[in-house]
Amino acid sequence: DGGITQSPKYLFRKEGQNVTLSCEQNLNHDAMYWYRQDPGQGLRLIYYSQIVNDFQKGDIAEGYSVSREKKESFPLTVTSAQKNPTAFYLCASKLSGANVLTFGAGSRLTVL
Amino acid sequence: GENVEQHPSTLSVQEGDSAVIKCTYSDSASNYFPWYKQELGKRPQLIIDIRSNVGEKKDQRIAVTLNKTAKHFSLHITETQPEDSAVYFCAASKNTGNQFYFGTGTSLTVIP
Repeated sequence: DGGITQSPKYLFRKEGQNVTLSCEQNLNHDAMYWYRQDPGQGLRLIYYSQIVNDFQKGDIAEGYSVSREKKESFPLTVTSAQKNPTAFYLCASKLSGANVLTFGAGSRLTVL
Repeated sequence: GENVEQHPSTLSVQEGDSAVIKCTYSDSASNYFPWYKQELGKRPQLIIDIRSNVGEKKDQRIAVTLNKTAKHFSLHITETQPEDSAVYFCAASKNTGNQFYFGTGTSLTVIP
């Protein structure tokens, strides 16, 4: 998977439940990102992290939370506060000072 | 913040014809402009990029042009083939920053 792995690929959850999406990279990249992809809306940034134990909100952070306890891992929790969580979620990473983003294969979350 | 607009949202061309996708950006400090291709069910992948000190860049059938004064950049695909069918995203970034601002995507269909 090109060094960045997302799991699960498909996930179903009931309303009111929190769910955590996994993102792991073995590229030794410093920065990691979470994007949400909806039809016709492109890629919208949820959170990003430049170094371990530090992260910043993106444009649509409400209802989401992240952690960066290890360089290679950046899990995203979709909480029950997220009003419209059904979407395709993409994780990405890059080296600090570089420009090229490497994407994971994505996780599709469906709320029933 | 930066605002990237992308047009058209959908584009159909006959095989062998050219395709052009246009993007505009708002922040004059942006100086790096990548283009990503996302085939159906797959992750976005970088296909070409351009920096603000260059007006045009070519890679085989793909070219990107940048007009800094007008704050717009375009992707040109010549001699299109069915395997060019995908969603294309433009993005803008500052070289010193870690945020990428994506356009809303163009779904390109190449008709055999």
